Amino acid sequence: ETGVTQSPTHLIKTRGQQVTLRCSSQSGHNTVSWYQQALGQGPQFIFQYYREEENGRGNFPPRFSGLQFPNYSSELNVNALELDDSALYLCASSSSKGANYGYTFGSGTRLTVV
Amino acid sequence: AQSVTQLDSQVPVFEEAPVELRCNYSSSVSVYLFWYVQYPNQGLQLLLKYLSGSTLVESINGFEAEFNKSQTSFHLRKPSVHISDTAEYFCAVDDGGATNKLIFGTGTLLAVQP
Repeated sequence: ETGVTQSPTHLIKTRGQQVTLRCSSQSGHNTVSWYQQALGQGPQFIFQYYREEENGRGNFPPRFSGLQFPNYSSELNVNALELDDSALYLCASSSSKGANYGYTFGSGTRLTVV
Repeated sequence: AQSVTQLDSQVPVFEEAPVELRCNYSSSVSVYLFWYVQYPNQGLQLLLKYLSGSTLVESINGFEAEFNKSQTSFHLRKPSVHISDTAEYFCAVDDGGATNKLIFGTGTLLAVQP
């Protein structure tokens, strides 16, 4: 079975620009969660998608938005990038809602905002 | 709100020595507890988890953690570490609430020296 694939692996953007990060979930998984990991910190929950609907959101502004597609892949969009958005963005998929079902994490997208 | 505290940001240890990485969480309700490991430039890998039942849980590579409800702790231990265990270790909790999110600690860097 394939794992979670994220693209791109690295990205450099200018403040004020918009960015789209992509995630292909593990085969058989219908739930995708996104996390932001700033340098030296633990991952912070952004939001979760379950069967194409947002199913919970962390303390992130509306300029962070997402989508989940019928094949359960997902996108994270960030508008009006700020320097503090520089971080590793992690996607995690699972077979249902709740971490007790077991999240599989991707290797992440390293976003640098200059 | 739930929180996770990892008291040590870095733990240096010599190869073949025992190690304990500390984790405390803030909750009086039932929780699911996890330890994840992150190797350089990689995503998170699940090391072990406590959902219910026996309070002592083990991983396939010799790590173990004990759920202690009275002390709200979930410390990670290994009796003899290897150079290859060098990585960042994150403790996380899922309170099973509506948001179904993982709350991570700030991580502990385990630095194994020869």
